[in-house]
Amino acid sequence: QVQLVQSGSELKKPGASVKVSCKASGYTFSTYRMNWVRQAPGQGLEWMGRINTNTGNPTYAQGFTGRFVFSLDTSVSTAYLQISSLKAEDTAVYYCARGVSDYYQNNWFDPWGQGTLVTVSS
Amino acid sequence: QSVLAQPPSASGTPGQRVTISCSGSSSNIGSNTVNWYQQLPGTAPKLLIYSNNQRPSGVPDRFSGSKSGTSASLAISGLQSEDEADYYCAAWDDSLNDSGWVFGGGTKLTVL
Repeated sequence: QVQLVQSGSELKKPGASVKVSCKASGYTFSTYRMNWVRQAPGQGLEWMGRINTNTGNPTYAQGFTGRFVFSLDTSVSTAYLQISSLKAEDTAVYYCARGVSDYYQNNWFDPWGQGTLVTVSS
Repeated sequence: QSVLAQPPSASGTPGQRVTISCSGSSSNIGSNTVNWYQQLPGTAPKLLIYSNNQRPSGVPDRFSGSKSGTSASLAISGLQSEDEADYYCAAWDDSLNDSGWVFGGGTKLTVL
């Protein structure tokens, strides 16, 4: 079955970096874009951007440029989110989500990874 | 402040029908389809409705979606205790300088 499995929780100090992985299985990895979504504690969902898994071309949403980097390792069907110069406000659960399109170019996210909690604290 | 507006909470008793609204603008809901996601407590979001009113396989037909103009709605009939969750609407936004996915702030559904 189609599945996205993310790496485990991380505890980091301010100023450090973190790399979250999202391993896909059950489908051809390069056929679907991979999206990243942030959920701060007790808050809603926020789209961070996406990466074209065929070309490697990333698109970053406003507010997620500079310290955020999307990357791929297509040999192991895995997408990565790296955040540098971590701040306390980066504390959140980060989800990867496969972007699906239909014939009419309608799009949605399915499935989602289980989420990775990144905690930034001194 | 979310681009799509949802009521923060909704409630109903078992067996009742509840609706959750999602209000947007011409650049998002007005020109693109709406998706709904269900987030059960402590879990990742799950696709509930896509393309305004389509249910993925495995989603009960108690859940239905609709869209009119710049607003959308999620209806849940025959409410069950396991429906207690957060519900989010989402749409692509075609804003000139910053297109991308936008979400509603989420609606916490309580089954009384």
